[in-house]
Amino acid sequence: DQQVKQNSPSLSVQEGRISILNCDYTNSMFDYFLWYKKYPAEGPTFLISISSIKDKNEDGRFTVFLNKSAKHLSLHIVPSQPGDSAVYFCAASARTSYGKLTFGQGTILTVHP
Amino acid sequence: DVKVTQSSRYLVKRTGEKVFLECVQDMDHENMFWYRQDPGLGLRLIYFSYDVKMKEKGDIPEGYSVSREKKERFSLILESASTNQTSMYLCASSLQYGYTFGSGTRLTVV
Repeated sequence: DQQVKQNSPSLSVQEGRISILNCDYTNSMFDYFLWYKKYPAEGPTFLISISSIKDKNEDGRFTVFLNKSAKHLSLHIVPSQPGDSAVYFCAASARTSYGKLTFGQGTILTVHP
Repeated sequence: DVKVTQSSRYLVKRTGEKVFLECVQDMDHENMFWYRQDPGLGLRLIYFSYDVKMKEKGDIPEGYSVSREKKERFSLILESASTNQTSMYLCASSLQYGYTFGSGTRLTVV
């Protein structure tokens, strides 16, 4: 039972354009959502998060949008840079779960110069 | 800067061996987690701990056990390693929301 799904295994984008990564969830108890970025042979690093009381959070080139009615969130990267090439994981947490995160399958983003 | 340290970056073990993966955090975090990462499957939770000597099964605990004798250290144990446990193992710690991850241990079981 995959509670967090990233349906696109990969995404290829030209440098300078927008990257949009999508994530769907099924568990209505999730109230906090995060995006992590992972390079090969390294641990994931935190990128940006959003609480369920908001529908948008922005940090520099990164913006996360949350649509609670559709149980959908997306990460926008504008403009995309070659250094953004990595695996991006969407994650979700419920308040009562000791901070336990449920992750999606990941999306491999490749940004071409 | 906060840190989660995993003792080995790469390990090669034989089928049937008992394997210990160690994780130490210096942030005084209550919660610690062990995940494995496999292509197409994302990060799957093996075990977590919310206090010393406390542990909870995650989504895929079979073939694994854990130990948390001190707050800063969380060990993952493969009782009898099998080839299907070849994977990237990631340790993380957290206070409330959001994790800090270690660099991972790439385990190969031959």
